[in-house]
Amino acid sequence: KQEVTQIPAALSVPEGENLVLNCSFTDSAIYNLQWFRQDPGKGLTSLLLIQSSQREQTSGRLNASLDKSSGRSTLYIAASQPGDSATYLCAVRRGDGNSGYSTLTFGKGTMLLVSP
Amino acid sequence: DAGVIQSPRHEVTEMGQEVTLRCKPISGHDYLFWYRQTMMRGLELLIYFNNNVPIDDSGMPEDRFSAKMPNASFSTLKIQPSEPRDSAVYFCASSLTVNYGYTFGSGTRLTVV
Repeated sequence: KQEVTQIPAALSVPEGENLVLNCSFTDSAIYNLQWFRQDPGKGLTSLLLIQSSQREQTSGRLNASLDKSSGRSTLYIAASQPGDSATYLCAVRRGDGNSGYSTLTFGKGTMLLVSP
Repeated sequence: DAGVIQSPRHEVTEMGQEVTLRCKPISGHDYLFWYRQTMMRGLELLIYFNNNVPIDDSGMPEDRFSAKMPNASFSTLKIQPSEPRDSAVYFCASSLTVNYGYTFGSGTRLTVV
């Protein structure tokens, strides 16, 4: 059974700092990995999607890396801003070579607070 | 596209009542997923459909929960009878194929009193 772990569970940084959020997964047979952002009381917004054949994806100040063999991904946020405050969730999509069916397994997230 | 549409946004009901949550996926997406989110357990997959067919319902907690997808543009999650421990945020998500990411709806916050 796939398990996804995110460390740290919570992180508080001053505005302007660069930071790294970590995600690890136990089963490396994945199709892709997706990072989401969730604001309090809101739904999930997709930030980045990395296919299993890729090493990283970038969007603005965000950079996500994937090391499938070691079961790790990181989300790097450059020059953090108060508006980045949210919970960040990592999720991996399991591969099923026989049927093509797959599901997304989530970590419990890292709650980020960026102080002005 | 308006994205994944869920209704209602909030639902407060009394224990024992039937609750129906609704979802309209993004047009053309082959997969539809129902998740439940609680503080204790995070996001849990309840059931998912592929081309309107239920594929895996092993995450449905009890027989009180049922889900249907009568056509490609509509799905329901029903709880009957509801219990206080069912209180959570229920999310619907859709995906084009296995190589694409998920798009989530805004969720339904269910409170059973």
